[in-house]
Amino acid sequence: SQQGEEDPQALSIQEGENATMNCSYKTSINNLQWYRQNSGRGLVHLILIRSNEREKHSGRLRVTLDTSKKSSSLLITASRAADTASYFCATDDRGGNNRKLIWGLGTSLAVNP
Amino acid sequence: NAGVTQTPKFQVLKTGQSMTLQCAQDMNHEYMSWYRQDPGMGLRLIHYSVGAGITDQGEVPNGYNVSRSTTEDFPLRLLSAAPSQTSVYFCASSYSKNTGFYEQYFGPGTRLTVT
Repeated sequence: SQQGEEDPQALSIQEGENATMNCSYKTSINNLQWYRQNSGRGLVHLILIRSNEREKHSGRLRVTLDTSKKSSSLLITASRAADTASYFCATDDRGGNNRKLIWGLGTSLAVNP
Repeated sequence: NAGVTQTPKFQVLKTGQSMTLQCAQDMNHEYMSWYRQDPGMGLRLIHYSVGAGITDQGEVPNGYNVSRSTTEDFPLRLLSAAPSQTSVYFCASSYSKNTGFYEQYFGPGTRLTVT
């Protein structure tokens, strides 16, 4: 079953703008990860945030985690056409089977030049 | 390092045929997994392995078998292909620990069509 739910499902912005996408989940987690998938390709890991962290940065990426609301956001600043991709969040389930990652359905981001 | 490799990249099968999708990694990762990705469905876990000789089912295991005889290889076998198995298949690997997951490394995928 899908735990993570990304929001919005699709997002279209202009180059240079910021893009924010959200992920909600249902269970207690050890960490949450964000991945990018370019069309027709495998997923690429972007960032991992642990349950005891609230914010993490990597280049133009900023991820926040609110465990009380069971939600995370991914912010891409100063977007580029090359950021056009689908973005997925993934969590484990600390209280259940800890050997399965649980994936959201993804946010499709289009960055227009 | 080659990372995670998958073969073939594309495959067309007739209903009832069997085949094996190959996956190999050269990073000495304990954890390996197979996913299928269908439009609007995200990634669904088929089978996973936490080490050589140890496999377990994911959320959609029916119609698929796996084995893990070595750390490097994790083949996925379709027993009797059905049109519902038309999908893109991804293999992934990572280091493993008891709490949480490390980053997953994905292969490039196999696009399978069953007619």
